[in-house]
Amino acid sequence: GQNIDQPTEMTATEGAIVQINCTYQTSGFNGLFWYQQHAGEAPTFLSYNVLDGLEEKGRFSSFLSRSKGYSYLLLKELQMKDSASYLCAVMDSNYQLIWGAGTKLIIKP
Amino acid sequence: IAGITQAPTSQILAAGRRMTLRCTQDMRHNAMYWYRQDLGLGLRLIHYSNTAGTTGKGEVPDGYSVSRANTDDFPLTLASAVPSQTSVYFCASSDSGTSGYTFGSGTRLTVV
Repeated sequence: GQNIDQPTEMTATEGAIVQINCTYQTSGFNGLFWYQQHAGEAPTFLSYNVLDGLEEKGRFSSFLSRSKGYSYLLLKELQMKDSASYLCAVMDSNYQLIWGAGTKLIIKP
Repeated sequence: IAGITQAPTSQILAAGRRMTLRCTQDMRHNAMYWYRQDLGLGLRLIHYSNTAGTTGKGEVPDGYSVSRANTDDFPLTLASAVPSQTSVYFCASSDSGTSGYTFGSGTRLTVV
């Protein structure tokens, strides 16, 4: 079956760095996405990785290892507004997104 | 309209009633999707449409139907609502497989 695993909840301190991991097993692979979702709002696109390596975009970076079925989202210089759920999703061989349950990130002052 | 519009924003519905959730996009995206999101379960695909005139079943299609008469609109119908359909429903669209999805703001549905 297809499976996306990510931690349910993480806590970090304002100004620090946090890494949110995602492991996946899917039928085919056409890229991995990270989305941010604030409570009561819609998910918004953060990043897309299809090749191995690190993609940096401001304070956020996303890493992919296809051979290990592994990705992480790295958030630097954490701000209170980064408190949200972070969703990992993999595009399978049918170009459908398979979603993880999300990681709720709590930022403390 | 900018992006995807969903209506209503929220609704309380009596069990057994019929309900249509509306979704309209103005980005001319070919593909559209309906998801439900429940606490601890993440987003689950109900139905999808790769292009106008075609639809397909997702992971949890039972009790729901969709139509795609044109590019812009993708309504989701609950023929006879049941309490287990209480959820937040998101409509999404994409113009290509690798460009990511754009989501509507969601419909919070409570079936009592």
